Amino acid sequence: ILNVEQSPQSLHVQEGDSTNFTCSFPSSNFYALHWYRWETAKSPEALFVMTLNGDEKKKGRISATLNTKEGYSYLYIKGSQPEDSATYLCAFVDGRDDKIIFGKGTRLHILP
Amino acid sequence: EADIYQTPRYLVIGTGKKITLECSQTMGHDKMYWYQQDPGMELHLIHYSYGVNSTEKGDLSSESTVSRIRTEHFPLTLESARPSHTSQYLCASSGQGVRTDTQYFGPGTRLTVL
Repeated sequence: ILNVEQSPQSLHVQEGDSTNFTCSFPSSNFYALHWYRWETAKSPEALFVMTLNGDEKKKGRISATLNTKEGYSYLYIKGSQPEDSATYLCAFVDGRDDKIIFGKGTRLHILP
Repeated sequence: EADIYQTPRYLVIGTGKKITLECSQTMGHDKMYWYQQDPGMELHLIHYSYGVNSTEKGDLSSESTVSRIRTEHFPLTLESARPSHTSQYLCASSGQGVRTDTQYFGPGTRLTVL
């Protein structure tokens, strides 16, 4: 059974501070890693799709890195704002069968 | 803003009823997916389709069935709802597969079976 782990499960961050969290996934049969942001009462929204070891992607104040050899990805948020409060999901794509496996998410709360 | 819609958003229904959860997208995507999420748990893929008349079961065994008669429409049906079906159901679509393309998600249907 393939496991995708996200840590921490929940995080409280002061507005203006920067933060990061982790997604761990199997290092074998890797094809792609997705990051999504899911705000309460809204649809999950795509942030990044990453495929290459060493990839770094950026969207505004949010960036992500990828290490496929050791099986982890970091998501960074610089200068947290209230609108960053959401659950951040990562999903691993297995190259053998294109199955997509989600983690449980990191729930981020920005404190004013 | 993604053009993918789900109805109803919330449904409370008694045991034994037949229900259909609707999912439609106006992006012309070939690939569509249904996920189930229990509180505090991961999204689990229960069904997917790569085009009209194509449907496959996902990783999580589900008593639900799906159909894909039109590109834009991917309804999910439970013939006889049970309390164990209480969950959130999310529909998604993508233009290409998950190898390179993001998925666009609907807002979900929160189902409660009494």
